[in-house]
Amino acid sequence: RKEVEQDPGPFNVPEGATVAFNCTYSNSASQSFFWYRQDCRKEPKLLMSVYSSGNEDGRFTAQLNRASQYISLLIRDSKLSDSATYLCVVNSGNTPLVFGKGTRLSVIA
Amino acid sequence: DVKVTQSSRYLVKRTGEKVFLECVQDMDHENMFWYRQDPGLGLRLIYFSYDVKMKEKGDIPEGYSVSREKKERFSLILESASTNQTSMYLCASSDSGRVSEQFFGPGTRLTVL
Repeated sequence: RKEVEQDPGPFNVPEGATVAFNCTYSNSASQSFFWYRQDCRKEPKLLMSVYSSGNEDGRFTAQLNRASQYISLLIRDSKLSDSATYLCVVNSGNTPLVFGKGTRLSVIA
Repeated sequence: DVKVTQSSRYLVKRTGEKVFLECVQDMDHENMFWYRQDPGLGLRLIYFSYDVKMKEKGDIPEGYSVSREKKERFSLILESASTNQTSMYLCASSDSGRVSEQFFGPGTRLTVL
């Protein structure tokens, strides 16, 4: 059973659209949650942390549902520059971060 | 500005060769990690280290070893390279505290012929 599962996509959306990604995790003891972004042929970089109360950073909103063990990322008013792979990341205490395989987003003009 | 550097962006080796991949970070981070990334398989953890001279196996350590003689440097060693080790190798570091943000190097694309 995969620890962190994501829909691989690709999600192809027009500029200005709203798109949402979900991610599920299997370890109910997981404590910390993140979204990383990886551009084509580049290294992953932290996009945002995910807090229990939900959090927003500009056009990006992250939410956590502990009862259902899923995390979401919502992108509003998509830009061409949002095209990337989005990695869901989970930490379960005293172990390294666990990365999902990523969801690929293509924003089309 | 935080920086993780890897010794090579592209590397081509022959089957059976011993391969060294070097990673250096300048952030005084305690934790360092080696991953490989393959299409459809995502990031897979090979080895990690929480302190100098310490190492722990990740999810796929077979065929690899590591060395951490200095805090800033974490080396990945392929004792006898095989074609199934052709991959993108990514090094990362993070501060102490297991949930700290990981900073990644630019990656080394290794091809084993």
